[in-house]
Amino acid sequence: GQQVMQIPQYQHVQEGEDFTTYCNSSTTLSNIQWYKQRPGGHPVFLIQLVKSGEVKKQKRLTFQFGEAKKNSSLHITATQTTDVGTYFCAEPVSGGYQKVTFGTGTKLQVIP
Amino acid sequence: DSGVTQTPKHLITATGQRVTLRCSPRSGDLSVYWYQQSLDQGLQFLIQYYNGEERAKGNILERFSAQQFPDLHSELNLSSLELGDSALYFCASTFSQGVQETQYFGPGTRLLVL
Repeated sequence: GQQVMQIPQYQHVQEGEDFTTYCNSSTTLSNIQWYKQRPGGHPVFLIQLVKSGEVKKQKRLTFQFGEAKKNSSLHITATQTTDVGTYFCAEPVSGGYQKVTFGTGTKLQVIP
Repeated sequence: DSGVTQTPKHLITATGQRVTLRCSPRSGDLSVYWYQQSLDQGLQFLIQYYNGEERAKGNILERFSAQQFPDLHSELNLSSLELGDSALYFCASTFSQGVQETQYFGPGTRLLVL
């Protein structure tokens, strides 16, 4: 079955350092979404990428979709303590007739 | 606040028991998804309903069942509970805008099986 792996599983960074998480799929993705889950909270939608090679930015966050649409990355520049949480990629629903597959998640800890 | 509500917030029960978790989607959303998240684990997709009908099934055990009612709220029934069923259970409803279909998650129900 489809697997969506994320690396690293955990990352501790000093506040101000950059952080990157990678999402890799065994199959070609139609599109990909990223979610953030704060400790004790629920996943919150961040962004969706659709096109091959697409790059989108949200302030200090940069999201990229691979050319082959099999991988994606999320890069955070100059991390802040508010960035703490687990970041998930997900292959979203497509017309609602398929399983939703979430990545394994990367847990980010920012040391002040 | 995502607009998705889940009750109860916490649930403590014993092995062998049966519980029902409830979810109300955002106003206007027709789809409800159920997920299980064990401690420090990822999100496991369980099942999806759309306008009252089952649409997609994930890693849902036979001891678990769900339904969506005419008012679009959904219930997830967990029976013959085992210790390993202790987890956070999230539901999500979706908003579609063109090719983008965003999932809005509820606050979750934390289930503890003793």
